[in-house]
Amino acid sequence: DGGITQSPKYLFRKEGQNVTLSCEQNLNHDAMYWYRQDPGQGLRLIYYSQIVNDFQKGDIAEGYSVSREKKESFPLTVTSAQKNPTAFYLCASSIDLGLAGVRTQYFGPGTRLTVL
Amino acid sequence: KQEVTQIPAALSVPEGENLVLNCSFTDSAIYNLQWFRQDPGKGLTSLLLIQSSQREQTSGRLNASLDKSSGRSTLYIAASQPGDSATYLCAVGTSYGKLTFGQGTILTVHP
Repeated sequence: DGGITQSPKYLFRKEGQNVTLSCEQNLNHDAMYWYRQDPGQGLRLIYYSQIVNDFQKGDIAEGYSVSREKKESFPLTVTSAQKNPTAFYLCASSIDLGLAGVRTQYFGPGTRLTVL
Repeated sequence: KQEVTQIPAALSVPEGENLVLNCSFTDSAIYNLQWFRQDPGKGLTSLLLIQSSQREQTSGRLNASLDKSSGRSTLYIAASQPGDSATYLCAVGTSYGKLTFGQGTILTVHP
């Protein structure tokens, strides 16, 4: 089955620790994205990557880091510098459909991170 | 900076009603607008994508319209069912496929 997988589903972290969230897709999509969702709010973009070995900061990149060494993988590290990391994290991917700006994003099931 | 607002924040209706969810955005220079559905604790499912050159899209009981000049979109759900209960998110697409999301409308359809 094609799709996007995120692991783990739930993650607990102590303050001061770095933690890495996994995102894998087998859709052969070029672009991948990381979003953060807080209760009662929409999604906010953390980082995005259009191609392998390249990525750009989104609206709330401080305290986060990413890598894109393979097309199918886009892991997100939440560092100790992120002051309020407890949230629901969603990964997405998209493919350019050939028309300017027409990219449907497909989302993974999410990882809920809780800092203890 | 693009801002997206959704009204109402929550909506509760009896089964069978037709309903409208509203989305407004501040910058009309968009590539597309998407409506998503999110069930509690889950990821997002794309419902409809409207390109900037289009006025509306339809899928089954769902119809989404786009008025770029006024910065508005509506999602119309016909003959609502309890299974439609979820959070509905509107997002506008800009360069590089980036999306800016609204806060969502929580819809409850009761039998």
